Parts: sequence; structure tokens; C-alpha cells
Amino acid sequence: AQKVTQAQTEISVVEKEDVTLDCVYETRDTTYYLFWYKQPPSGELVFLIRRNSFDEQNEISGRYSWNFQKSTSSFNFTITASQVVDSAVYFCALSAYSGGGADGLTFGKGTHLIIQP
Amino acid sequence: DVKVTQSSRYLVKRTGEKVFLECVQDMDHENMFWYRQDPGLGLRLIYFSYDVKMKEKGDIPEGYSVSREKKERFSLILESASTNQTSMYLCASSRIGQPHEQYFGPGTRLTVT
Repeated sequence: AQKVTQAQTEISVVEKEDVTLDCVYETRDTTYYLFWYKQPPSGELVFLIRRNSFDEQNEISGRYSWNFQKSTSSFNFTITASQVVDSAVYFCALSAYSGGGADGLTFGKGTHLIIQP
Repeated sequence: DVKVTQSSRYLVKRTGEKVFLECVQDMDHENMFWYRQDPGLGLRLIYFSYDVKMKEKGDIPEGYSVSREKKERFSLILESASTNQTSMYLCASSRIGQPHEQYFGPGTRLTVT
């Protein structure tokens, strides 16, 4: 069985601070994919990044960066110089690759990030 | 621009009613998914489909069924709605093959009274 744990239920920081959202996953599959989604107050989930289990390179996209470490089964997300518009619920998700067909995502419970002006 | 649409943003139904939630995607995606989102529980997979007329149970299929008669449309059916099915329902679609990013609709907030 797969599991994704986002231990931080809610984080509140002041604008311009850096903030890291933690994600720890469990899976028995050797091939799997990890995702981060953002859910702003409007409600629609927005895809941020996909990572496969063979690619441990960290990734940076503007103020966003992701740190994937298989040794600790973690896929953490850092926002540098946070802005009020970053306020949202962030979900980490996992999908195993069964070799065909579709597989749903296993989501963590989400971290509510509040950026105060 | 990719788009997943859901028939209603808000819906109020009575206990015991049969409820249909409709989802349409215009990206020619093979895979479609239904999730429900509840506070403190995140998103949980109800059903998914990887082809027309094909369906697979997710983690919480009890009390639900689905229908996929056309590639672009995936319906979630509550045969006899109950109050514990009050939730936000999210539809998603993705390309076939290795797990790709899923594109989500705006959600339907269903209240069963």
C-alpha cells in the first residue's frame, strides 16, 4: 500500500520568508512518480511538478525548489522569498507505475500555507 | 488551453436521491478520475477509467458507481445519496502510459441533507 505523509497541517510565515513544506512517502514499488499540487482559495488544483523515482536531481523553478531524497523517502518543497499569492493548500502525491493503464494518485492530507503581509 | 469541466459547482440533494456528477475534458485524455476531498483527509480516489467503458475501483468506491460511454465524459453516480457523501468532488484527466500529471476540474461541492 502507498502512503504520503505531510506532517505540517498549517504553516504561517511573514512575507519574504523562506518556507519548506515536508513530504514523506511510502511505497513498495521501485518505479513511482511524485507530484506537488497547489490548491488556491478558488479551489482548483494546479499541477506544480512531477518527479520519477530514477531522477533524484533537485529542481528549481523561479522561487520554487524541490528536494528529492530516496534515502529518506522525502520530496520536500521550498518557496524562497514567499509572497502573499503563495497562500494556498499544497498537496504532495504519489503514483506507482504498474506498466499499463491508469493509476490514481495517493495524496497527502495537505499543508495549508499562510503568507502574512 | 487544457480544460476539465464539471456540470455543477454546488449541488444540494436529499438523502436517498440518485445523484449524477458529470465531468468533461477536451484534451483527448484516455484516463479520467474521480476524487473526493474532505477536511483533514486530503483527496481520496473513488474510481478511475483508462478507456471507454472501462472502470477501476479506487480506495473508497463504496456507495458510488461510474459510467464512461464516451472518451471525453466520465460520470460519477451516487445510487442513493447519504449524508456522509456530503463532500467536494473533483474530476481529473491525464494521458495514458506512465503516470502523468492530472488536470483537475473546479470541483462540485455536494451537500446531502
